[in-house]
Amino acid sequence: DAGVIQSPRHEVTEMGQEVTLRCKPISGHNSLFWYRQTMMRGLELLIYFNNNVPIDDSGMPEDRFSAKMPNASFSTLKIQPSEPRDSAVYFCASSPNYEQYFGPGTRLTVT
Amino acid sequence: SQKIEQNSEALNIQEGKTATLTCNYTNYSPAYLQWYRQDPGRGPVFLLLIRENEKEKRKERLKVTFDTTLKQSLFHITASQPADSATYLCALVGAGGTSYGKLTFGQGTILTVHP
Repeated sequence: DAGVIQSPRHEVTEMGQEVTLRCKPISGHNSLFWYRQTMMRGLELLIYFNNNVPIDDSGMPEDRFSAKMPNASFSTLKIQPSEPRDSAVYFCASSPNYEQYFGPGTRLTVT
Repeated sequence: SQKIEQNSEALNIQEGKTATLTCNYTNYSPAYLQWYRQDPGRGPVFLLLIRENEKEKRKERLKVTFDTTLKQSLFHITASQPADSATYLCALVGAGGTSYGKLTFGQGTILTVHP
């Protein structure tokens, strides 16, 4: 298996633009997680899905953030409009049970 | 409020020695605890999981202990090697309430093993 796949790996955008991050989980994993990592705040859980259903989105910082999982092999995290304080590395992880398998992350820079 | 603290931001040791990292938590009832390794520019990689009713878990040169009375986990790397240099993250999954099923990470400890 190729592992969790995320795209793009790097994204540079201007404030106010819409940003869409993509994730393909490992086949057969029934849970998917979106995290954000910064030096100041560490690794924070934004939202997680179980069997494609959002279970907990309490970590989503604002209404500007939204996530979808239309099927078991694809998820998106959208930020609209983006702001400089959204600059971070965004990780997607999938899990078959307890342990989580992380993707390589998307480094987002909002100028 | 719930808090997870890893003992230090950075730990430097000599090759061959045992590295010991600490993870303390407060206001938390974890179902289980996990340790991850993260290298620069990469996502965390799962290492070990230990449940609340387990005292110790081993995997090759790694050992994890879990003391729910002290609210502490210790992570040991024996016979450390320069290749063990990385950031190590502890993470807790809550047993109930708002933390149920969610993995909450500590800030991490940067381990550097000097040859």
